[in-house]
Amino acid sequence: GQQLNQSPQSMFIQEGEDVSMNCTSSSIFNTWLWYKQDPGEGPVLLIALYKAGELTSNGRLTAQFGITRKDSFLNISASIPSDVGIYFCAGQGVGSQGNLIFGKGTKLSVKP
Amino acid sequence: NAGVTQTPKFQVLKTGQSMTLQCAQDMNHEYMSWYRQDPGMGLRLIHYSVGAGITDQGEVPNGYNVSRSTTEDFPLRLLSAAPSQTSVYFCASNPWDRATEAFFGQGTRLTVV
Repeated sequence: GQQLNQSPQSMFIQEGEDVSMNCTSSSIFNTWLWYKQDPGEGPVLLIALYKAGELTSNGRLTAQFGITRKDSFLNISASIPSDVGIYFCAGQGVGSQGNLIFGKGTKLSVKP
Repeated sequence: NAGVTQTPKFQVLKTGQSMTLQCAQDMNHEYMSWYRQDPGMGLRLIHYSVGAGITDQGEVPNGYNVSRSTTEDFPLRLLSAAPSQTSVYFCASNPWDRATEAFFGQGTRLTVV
């Protein structure tokens, strides 16, 4: 089946630093999504990308839908302690309606 | 504004017991789904439903049953619990053709001993 490779698995950074994480797939996706999960909570949608090449921002977060439709990245600028959590990429494949394939997550820790 | 509500939040079962995880949404979404989350594995789709009376299997359906008698409710049944089913379970709902509007519940942490 379809799989997403998300990297890095974890990051430990200083407050104020920029963060970058990415996802790659062996197959094409129609939609790329980035979620954040706080401890004890369900994932919450951060950014949705609909077109190849699309670059979208949400505050300090920026994400891009790769030209090949097989990859996406998420950048967080000037990290703050509340950015701590697990970030997941997810893709909606061709013809999959509402089904999502998730990456394994990037655990972000921020040192004040 | 409840969104997606899952009950219970925590559950411990003995091997071989059965139970039902409840999921309800009040947004009139057609599409509902169940995922399990294991350490280092991300979320994996168990079963999904595109509307009342319609269900289908996801990536990891074995050992689970679902039904969808109403738009609002989508319970997940564990027929005979096994330690391999120890996981955190998330229910999600969205309009059927807009996965980008998926809302997740807070999860049910299940331990099978």
